[in-house]
Amino acid sequence: AQTVTQSQPEMSVQEAETVTLSCTYDTSENNYYLFWYKQPPSRQMILVIRQEAYKQQNATENRFSVNFQKAAKSFSLKISDSQLGDTAMYFCASDTGNQFYFGTGTSLTVIP
Amino acid sequence: GAGVSQSPRYKVAKRGQDVALRCDPISGHVSLFWYQQALGQGPEFLTYFQNEAQLDKSGLPSDRFFAERPEGSVSTLKIQRTQQEDSAVYLCASSPSWPGTDTQYFGPGTRLTVL
Repeated sequence: AQTVTQSQPEMSVQEAETVTLSCTYDTSENNYYLFWYKQPPSRQMILVIRQEAYKQQNATENRFSVNFQKAAKSFSLKISDSQLGDTAMYFCASDTGNQFYFGTGTSLTVIP
Repeated sequence: GAGVSQSPRYKVAKRGQDVALRCDPISGHVSLFWYQQALGQGPEFLTYFQNEAQLDKSGLPSDRFFAERPEGSVSTLKIQRTQQEDSAVYLCASSPSWPGTDTQYFGPGTRLTVL
């Protein structure tokens, strides 16, 4: 069975600093997508960034970037220049085309 | 165009009642997913449609849960004889293409409370 593990239930970061959220996954598939979603208190799940497993280059979206280590099955999210609006739950997710799994989430608080 | 919408946003049901939750996906999206999110947890997969075909319902927790998408657009998740353990947020997501190839876009969810 495939699982997604987020080992940091809660994290905090000072405004303008950098923070890294961890995620590991387990799959026997070779092709799959990995995602980071943000869920603010309003509960609307918003895509932050996605990575296609067959691409070696790490995805970046403005202040957000990932460190994708396929062999280690690791997919961490780095948020640079943290802003107050980044405060939210962050979920790591995988999609193999047959299975869809989310981690249990990391609650990130950006401190002014 | 508009994003994924869900209605109602909040639903309170007495134990034993039947409920129906609606999802309007983004127009033209092929795939539609339902998830259940318990308080403080990540979403858990319930079922998936490709157009009108329900290709995977392995995540439905019991035969009291039923989903349909008869015309390949709007979907309804129905829960019969609701139980307290059914209390959760039910999320709908749609995707423009096949699973494993594209992003899922989520609706705001329906918070179901069973008393």
